[in-house]
Amino acid sequence: QAGLTQPPSVSKGLRQTATLTCTGNSNNVGDRGAAWLQQHQGHPPKLLSYRSNSRPSGISERLSASRSGDTASLTITGLQPEDEADYYCLAWDSSLSAWVFGGGTKLTVL
Amino acid sequence: EVLLVESGGGLVQPGGSLRLSCAASGFNFSSYWMTWVRQAPGKGLEWVANINQDGSNKNYVDSVKGRFTISRDNAKNSLYLQMNSLRAEDTAVYYCAGNFDYWGQGTLVTVSS
Repeated sequence: QAGLTQPPSVSKGLRQTATLTCTGNSNNVGDRGAAWLQQHQGHPPKLLSYRSNSRPSGISERLSASRSGDTASLTITGLQPEDEADYYCLAWDSSLSAWVFGGGTKLTVL
Repeated sequence: EVLLVESGGGLVQPGGSLRLSCAASGFNFSSYWMTWVRQAPGKGLEWVANINQDGSNKNYVDSVKGRFTISRDNAKNSLYLQMNSLRAEDTAVYYCAGNFDYWGQGTLVTVSS
């Protein structure tokens, strides 16, 4: 089952802004958007955003998600050391009747 | 406090079977879709299977269809994954998740001779 496409790595400086992308197709991201999860090394994933446009309670306002066509984006402003982690996008694929993950982006805060 | 606690992982030979369990507490388990997600060592996340609130709707990733079975017992607030005909490529940490909002710490399954 084909997954979503994410860049393997992104590096940004402290207090800068990072935008992570996730590209799918009209059956997944383009249909119902994507969710975003954060995973620190050795820990389980944590949900950051539902379906490209809403944050669970307790998630920093520095994070915002959006979608344009078949591409979802996660923007993190004012980067902090604790933002350094792996970020995964996730979408329901209506043609596969399955959830599909992106390969993950490792965000490094310099 | 929301808790999801997986158990049942371990070392198994290729072709063998394991049954994973996930005990849930702190949220209304019977109202949530539940999911199994796995992560091979050093790799990304892979969705494995999910099940709806009353267990009538189940979905699986192609690579486990016919080998894995997801089930739940709402009276016991528990989720299960029966894994048969295990292969080396099934080696991973298996997480249970509620609607992707809540996650357990994971249980390691190692398939090796």
